[in-house]
Amino acid sequence: GEDVEQSLFLSVREGDSSVINCTYTDSSSTYLYWYKQEPGAGLQLLTYIFSNMDMKQDQRLTVLLNKKDKHLSLRIADTQTGDSAIYFCAESFSMDTGRRALTFGSGTRLQVQP
Amino acid sequence: SAVISQKPSRDICQRGTSLTIQCQVDSQVTMMFWYRQQPGQSLTLIATANQGSEATYESGFVIDKFPISRPNLTFSTLTVSNMSPEDSSIYLCSVGQGNPEAFFGQGTRLTVV
Repeated sequence: GEDVEQSLFLSVREGDSSVINCTYTDSSSTYLYWYKQEPGAGLQLLTYIFSNMDMKQDQRLTVLLNKKDKHLSLRIADTQTGDSAIYFCAESFSMDTGRRALTFGSGTRLQVQP
Repeated sequence: SAVISQKPSRDICQRGTSLTIQCQVDSQVTMMFWYRQQPGQSLTLIATANQGSEATYESGFVIDKFPISRPNLTFSTLTVSNMSPEDSSIYLCSVGQGNPEAFFGQGTRLTVV
C-alpha cells in the first residue's frame, strides 16, 4: 500500500531557510501536497505539485519533486516564528474515477527559534 | 477554494455514548472524505461519502462504528458510536473533486472519558 515518510522534527533560526523532506512509495500518485497544521487548528493547504512537474514556487515556498527517487521537499525561505507548525506531506491516490483521497506522512514539527 | 464548516469543534463525551459530527460545504461536491487524527499521529482515511450511495470504508473502519450520512451534495455527518477512550481523536472532513485542491474542515476534537 501507499506509504509516506517524513522526519519528525526540524529546528531552524528565524530568517534561515527550512527544508522539510518527504518520501513516498506510490509511483502512480497524481498530486503531492503540503499541509500546515498549527496547534489546535485544522489543516491548511499550503501548496501542491502535479507529478509531472519537478518544481513549483509560490512566494516563500518552493516545492521540489524528484519522481525517480520518489522524494518531495518543501523549502520555506526566510522562516518566521509564525511558520512554527506541523507540516504534512501527502500523496493522492485514486480509487475510482474522480475519487481522490490522500495518504499522509507522519508530519514534521518545525520549530523556529527567534 | 471550498469553505468547510464542522460542528462541533470539540466535545467531551462519556464512554458508551455516540457523537454525530456535521460537515457543511459552501459548494456542491460529489465526494466528501472523513479522516481521523489520533493524538500525535498523522491522518488516516476513515471513509468516503458519496451522495446517493453508501459510504466506502477503509480497512479497519466499519459502518456500525462510524455510520455516515450524505443526504445532499453539501452536507455529511459522521457518527462515532459506542465511544471508548481510544476514539479520542480529531475527526476531519475533507472535499476534493476533480481539481487537485483538497480542503479540510477545522476538525472536531473529541475526548472520550
